[in-house]
Amino acid sequence: QVQLVQSGAEVKKPGASVKVSCKASGYTFTSYGISWVRQAPGQGLEWMGWISAYNGNTNYAQKLQGRVTMTTDTSTSTAYMELRSLRSDDTAVYYCARGWELLDAFDIWGQGTMVTVSS
Amino acid sequence: EIVLTQSPGTLSLSPGERATLSCRASQSVSSSYLAWYQQKPGQAPRLLIYGASSRATGIPDRFSGSGSGTDFTLTISRLEPEDFAVYYCQQYGSSPTFGGGTKVEIK
Repeated sequence: QVQLVQSGAEVKKPGASVKVSCKASGYTFTSYGISWVRQAPGQGLEWMGWISAYNGNTNYAQKLQGRVTMTTDTSTSTAYMELRSLRSDDTAVYYCARGWELLDAFDIWGQGTMVTVSS
Repeated sequence: EIVLTQSPGTLSLSPGERATLSCRASQSVSSSYLAWYQQKPGQAPRLLIYGASSRATGIPDRFSGSGSGTDFTLTISRLEPEDFAVYYCQQYGSSPTFGGGTKVEIK
């Protein structure tokens, strides 16, 4: 079945970096893009950015420009999201989600990865 | 950035009742690129509606979406016990944004 499986929970100190993975299965990875969405505890959803698995093109949310990098490895059908210079307000569950293109709804979601930033 | 405002914040209803959720955009949403998601505690969101009114695969027909421009509605015709959850709207006609959510709780 079509699914996205994410890496496990992370605990990081302020100023550190985190890299979350999202492994796709059950569909042709390069036919879709992957968006990343985060959700702070008890809060709503925030779109972080999108990457095309076909050609690696990216589009990042303005507020995260310069701190986030999204990549893919087509040989393993895996997408990655790296966030640098972590702050306490980056504590959140991070989701990957499939979309045909940048301007598309997200039909398949990963299970989420909890990232905690704490000294 | 398009800001989406959802109302009400919380909707208290009984099973079998009709639920009407609103999503208002700060500017017109291009090509009705408006989606609705359901999220239960500890779970990832699930796509219900895309293109303002098209049901996603496997979504029961008690869920329906309508609207265009800046005003959109999600209707659940008869609430089932599994429908009590938080619902988010999302626009994807430009850089994607989400509404703040509506919690549908058991009265």
